[in-house]
Amino acid sequence: QSVLTQPPSASGTPGQRVSISCSGNSSNIGGNSVFWYQQLPGMAPKLLIYRNYQRPAGVPDRFSGSKSGTSASLAISGLRSEDEADYYCSSWDDSLIGPVFGGGTKLTVL
Amino acid sequence: EVEVVDSGGGLVQPGRSLRLSCIASGFTFDDYAMHWVRQAPGKGLEWVAGISWNRVNIGYADSVKGRFTISRDNARNSVSLQMNSLRVEDTAVYYCVKDREQLPRGYFQHWGQGTLVTVSS
Repeated sequence: QSVLTQPPSASGTPGQRVSISCSGNSSNIGGNSVFWYQQLPGMAPKLLIYRNYQRPAGVPDRFSGSKSGTSASLAISGLRSEDEADYYCSSWDDSLIGPVFGGGTKLTVL
Repeated sequence: EVEVVDSGGGLVQPGRSLRLSCIASGFTFDDYAMHWVRQAPGKGLEWVAGISWNRVNIGYADSVKGRFTISRDNARNSVSLQMNSLRVEDTAVYYCVKDREQLPRGYFQHWGQGTLVTVSS
């Protein structure tokens, strides 16, 4: 059971906009930044969004992050086949005194 | 270009020990915290341990506390994970990860390719 809650799966067709949610509490998302990671099949994870909504260099602006209260969301617009991957949210947890992850969301591009 | 290369995985029997290593390059190593994050087969990500730039701040997941030890050698741009009393449930791909900050707060910026640890009799 992961500390942060994500839907196990999401799907969309090419060109569509999809959103993945991440729910936590006041010890983690409520008081700390949220990060998002993309893990392509058979690959190591890659940082996608940091500090709630900021994108590292090289990440397309099709990817966007937001946070409100104890929840966060990753949105992908103009969905492409190469976006098919697992997506994880993460945040620091003040009670556990360590970073925590969501269980991951498998995105399928139909 | 930042590069993180982890190694040392393999097959080990329950109760035995294994040491993972990680060499980093392309950045000022002693300016940043480092972590180990693992992923059991078919499962999600789990933070294992983190160490600050100056080795003062060290943290462990409850699942490995007392059995695993993270360390770093800034002169060699390396970080290690000593794993003792290994259990079947420690079977996973272990990733060495560079933080974006000096303290190990979980800003996982650059990931190694991962090294597989299999604990089985």
